[in-house]
Amino acid sequence: SQTIHQWPATLVQPVGSPLSLECTVEGTSNPNLYWYRQAAGRGLQLLFYSVGIGQISSEVPQNLSASRPQDRQFILSSKKLLLSDSGFYLCAWTKESTDTQYFGPGTRLTVL
Amino acid sequence: DQQVKQNSPSLSVQEGRISILNCDYTNSMFDYFLWYKKYPAEGPTFLISISSIKDKNEDGRFTVFLNKSAKHLSLHIVPSQPGDSAVYFCAASERYGTASKLTFGTGTRLQVTL
Repeated sequence: SQTIHQWPATLVQPVGSPLSLECTVEGTSNPNLYWYRQAAGRGLQLLFYSVGIGQISSEVPQNLSASRPQDRQFILSSKKLLLSDSGFYLCAWTKESTDTQYFGPGTRLTVL
Repeated sequence: DQQVKQNSPSLSVQEGRISILNCDYTNSMFDYFLWYKKYPAEGPTFLISISSIKDKNEDGRFTVFLNKSAKHLSLHIVPSQPGDSAVYFCAASERYGTASKLTFGTGTRLQVTL
């Protein structure tokens, strides 16, 4: 069966510091991978998605970037965090050409 | 511009009764619709989905109805159980090549009371 992991689970970072969140998927190959953010009291906003190694599509211009160095690894990064980057970050995967996305446990990021 | 709307932020239902959660969308390009259940500090869990070529899909206690002409879908839970208490998100999918992009509503908090 397939599983999706995210780490860290929680993170508290000062404004201006760098960020690296990691997501890995097990039990499948060539998944589509997605990063979402849920701000307090809001729905989920799609940030980036990837259909293959090195292929990144950005949905919202912002202070963040994403990379996919391996087939089942998706990384969300920032060079300098802003207060507005605080939120709950979720990684999701789908099989190629399917619609149902399966989510990881999430990372709670607090920028102080 | 919210393309997927859940106009009821909260809903309280008695155990054993039916819970009906509603969702409206505006984009005619959406061709697949999903419902997710979410607990605080956890990732959403997939519940049930429906293709735009269908008007009903049932899975146990959960049934999703789609009215394409009205651009409206609903999730029925019957009978409701205390463990169903959570935030429910509807999502609409649009295909971009081999990827599907989901647009989520803002969620409805369901509380099932004893």
